[in-house]
Amino acid sequence: QKEVEQNSGPLSVPEGAIASLNCTYSDRGSQSFFWYRQYSGKSPELIMSIYSNGDKEDGRFTAQLNKASQYVSLLIRDSQPSDSATYLCAVKDWGNNDMRFGAGTRLTVKP
Amino acid sequence: DTAVSQTPKYLVTQMGNDKSIKCEQNLGHDTMYWYKQDSKKFLKIMFSYNNKELIINETVPNRFSPKSPDKAHLNLHINSLELGDSAVYFCASSLAEESEQFFGPGTRLTVL
Repeated sequence: QKEVEQNSGPLSVPEGAIASLNCTYSDRGSQSFFWYRQYSGKSPELIMSIYSNGDKEDGRFTAQLNKASQYVSLLIRDSQPSDSATYLCAVKDWGNNDMRFGAGTRLTVKP
Repeated sequence: DTAVSQTPKYLVTQMGNDKSIKCEQNLGHDTMYWYKQDSKKFLKIMFSYNNKELIINETVPNRFSPKSPDKAHLNLHINSLELGDSAVYFCASSLAEESEQFFGPGTRLTVL
């Protein structure tokens, strides 16, 4: 069974702090990694994609991938109350069309 | 607007009925998907279509049948609805199998 694991939270950080979200996966064949943000009652929205080991930065967001450790993370710098949402980690291998999601981590940024 | 759209947004129906949810994307993507998100917010893939060909079919009941009249549309038909079918159903699309997916707004199905 190919699993994607996330700490369900809730994770609470003060405004302006760094929020760190973590995800582990079991399938070593995984090649594509995605972070989605989902506000309550809304659809998942793509934040970051990462395909190779290391860091990828986009504005206040940094995705980190370590394939040897089967670990992917998302850092949110200068967290804002508007960042409060559930963050979904998704993992895909190129051998099939099966993208698997973690259960999500609920983040709350307190003003 | 370029997007993935779904109709209806809300669907309330009785057990045993048959219903359909429609999905359209004008992004020019080759692959479309249906996901189910249950009350625990766990998002699970149900089907995907690539150029009108079913690629994967997770272990969903055969009461669920995807129908794709063309590359831009993937509809979901559900027969003999059950209480456990109540969930939010999301349509998504991607340019290629390995690329990121973009989601529609979701359809909240409630079976009474």
